[in-house]
Amino acid sequence: AQTVTQSQPEMSVQEAETVTLSCTYDTSENNYYLFWYKQPPSRQMILVIRQEAYKQQNATENRFSVNFQKAAKSFSLKISDSQLGDTAMYFCAFYGGGSEKLVFGKGTKLTVNP
Amino acid sequence: EAGVAQSPRYKIIEKRQSVAFWCNPISGHATLYWYQQILGQGPKLLIQFQNNGVVDDSQLPKDRFSAERLKGVDSTLKIQPAKLEDSAVYLCASSLQLNTEAFFGQGTRLTVV
Repeated sequence: AQTVTQSQPEMSVQEAETVTLSCTYDTSENNYYLFWYKQPPSRQMILVIRQEAYKQQNATENRFSVNFQKAAKSFSLKISDSQLGDTAMYFCAFYGGGSEKLVFGKGTKLTVNP
Repeated sequence: EAGVAQSPRYKIIEKRQSVAFWCNPISGHATLYWYQQILGQGPKLLIQFQNNGVVDDSQLPKDRFSAERLKGVDSTLKIQPAKLEDSAVYLCASSLQLNTEAFFGQGTRLTVV
């Protein structure tokens, strides 16, 4: 079974600085997708960024980028120029083409301080 | 484009009572998910539908939880009877296909007392 591990329960960063959230996963599949979702306080979950495992190039969405290390099964999220609105729970998620399930990690609570 | 709709937003029930949650996915989305999110934890997949068929329900406590997706559109999740440990937010999500972005509803916060 696929597992997703986020080893940092909580992190904090100063506004305008850069922070990296870690995620590792375990799978025997070759065809899969990885996601980072953001859940602001009392608001709904939204997608931040998506990575296809067959793509070597790391995905980037404005201030958000990933470092995808397929051999190490690592998928970290880098947030540049952190903003107060980035304060949220961040969840790493895995979708396997074989299992066809979308599985989430336990999350990292990120606080951006002014 | 309308998002994923869930109702009710909040529900308080006594243990051993029954409760039902409703989800209307985004139009045209074939995949529908129900997740249980206990406070401070990540979402746990309860059941996943592809159209009106079940893809996975391995973590659904089938002695008390049931779910259906009528005509491959709306879905209902039921708990009967509820236990204290069922207190959580129940999230519904939908996606166009299995490997595409999942869009989430605002969730139903259930408190069992």
